[in-house]
Amino acid sequence: DAGVIQSPRHEVTEMGQEVTLRCKPISGHNSLFWYRQTMMRGLELLIYFNNNVPIDDSGMPEDRFSAKMPNASFSTLKIQPSEPRDSAVYFCASNPGDRVEAFFGQGTRLTVV
Amino acid sequence: SQQGEEDPQALSIQEGENATMNCSYKTSINNLQWYRQNSGRGLVHLILIRSNEREKHSGRLRVTLDTSKKSSSLLITASRAADTASYFCATDAGTGNQFYFGTGTSLTVIP
Repeated sequence: DAGVIQSPRHEVTEMGQEVTLRCKPISGHNSLFWYRQTMMRGLELLIYFNNNVPIDDSGMPEDRFSAKMPNASFSTLKIQPSEPRDSAVYFCASNPGDRVEAFFGQGTRLTVV
Repeated sequence: SQQGEEDPQALSIQEGENATMNCSYKTSINNLQWYRQNSGRGLVHLILIRSNEREKHSGRLRVTLDTSKKSSSLLITASRAADTASYFCATDAGTGNQFYFGTGTSLTVIP
């Protein structure tokens, strides 16, 4: 298996633009997590899906952020409109549900200018 | 917040020495995990310890858990330059499958 795949790896966008980050979890994994990493705030859990259903989105910072998981093999995190303070590395992770350990993608480095 | 705290924030040691990192958390947990993150990369799971366990070993890694103090430690023995990375503890919320990361310890192993 190729592991958790995130795209794009890097994204530079202008303030006010819509940004969509993509994640393909490991096949057979039924839990998916989106995290954001910054120097100031560390790793923050944004949202957690189980069997494609959002279970806990309390970490989503604002209404500008939305996440979807239309099927077991794909998830998106959208920011609309983007702001410079959204600049961070966004990680997607998945786990098989019967195990605790999670497998992380390589992350998307987002820069909003 | 569930987020734990780790200390030290940064640690620099000579190759061959042992490295100890500590993690403190706030609420009751079922599991505690340790992850490593190399610069510019994703996180990699190292070891899991359950709340009913006190110590666990995996290769050069030794993890302890003291639930009464809500703390854990990660010991890396005989460190190598390749161990240079950031190390994070992660705790669950007591229910559900989600987990929350600590602030991390940046380890530098000098060859």
